[in-house]
Amino acid sequence: AQSVTQLDSQVPVFEEAPVELRCNYSSSVSVYLFWYVQYPNQGLQLLLKYLSGSTLVKGINGFEAEFNKSQTSFHLRKPSVHISDTAEYFCAVSGYSSASKIIFGSGTRLSIRP
Amino acid sequence: SQTIHQWPATLVQPVGSPLSLECTVEGTSNPNLYWYRQAAGRGLQLLFYSVGIGQISSEVPQNLSASRPQDRQFILSSKKLLLSDSGFYLCAWVSYTEAFFGQGTRLTVV
Repeated sequence: AQSVTQLDSQVPVFEEAPVELRCNYSSSVSVYLFWYVQYPNQGLQLLLKYLSGSTLVKGINGFEAEFNKSQTSFHLRKPSVHISDTAEYFCAVSGYSSASKIIFGSGTRLSIRP
Repeated sequence: SQTIHQWPATLVQPVGSPLSLECTVEGTSNPNLYWYRQAAGRGLQLLFYSVGIGQISSEVPQNLSASRPQDRQFILSSKKLLLSDSGFYLCAWVSYTEAFFGQGTRLTVV
C-alpha cells in the first residue's frame, strides 16, 4: 500500500518569490506520482505527473517537480510565484498496477502576499 | 477527452432531509468512479469507489451510500442528513495514471 505526506499545511510567500511545496511518499513497490491544484470551490486539476523517464517533470503554469527515489520525495517548485497561484496543492501517489488507487495527501495551502 | 459532470454546484439542506448528488462521465467507458469529501481546511477523504455497474466499495462507515445504476453514472445519497455531512463533495474518474475531477458540490446542512 502507498501513502503520501505533505509536510506543510500552509505556505505563505511573497509575490515573485520562489516556492517549494514538500511531498514524501511511502511504498513497497514502484510508484507514479502526481501534483494537483485546487482553486476555491472548484475540482482538482492535474499540474504534472511522473510516470517514468526523466526525474525532473515540468507541468503547467511554470511548475516543476523532481522525483527523488532515494529520499522518497516529489517536491513541487516554482521559481517565481504570482497572485494567481494562490490555491491548495495536493500530492498523490499510485502503484503500477491497474488495480491501484490514487492516494492523495492532506494538501498544502499556498497563499501569495503582494 | 474525459469530462465529469457533477450537480448541483451548491446545496443547502436541513438536518434529516434526504440527499442525492449525481455524477456522470463522458469520453470513457467502464470508468473507475470515486466520491471524495473535503471538510473545511482538510484534505480529500475517499468515501466510495466503483469499478462497474452495481459494484460499490465503501472506505468509511457513515451516513451516506452510493449507487452505480449505469456505466457512466455515480450517485451519492443519504436518507437523513446530519450536520457533520456538510462539506465539499467531489466525483472523480480515476485510473492508476490519471484522475479527472468534477467541479464539486458544496453541501451545507443547516
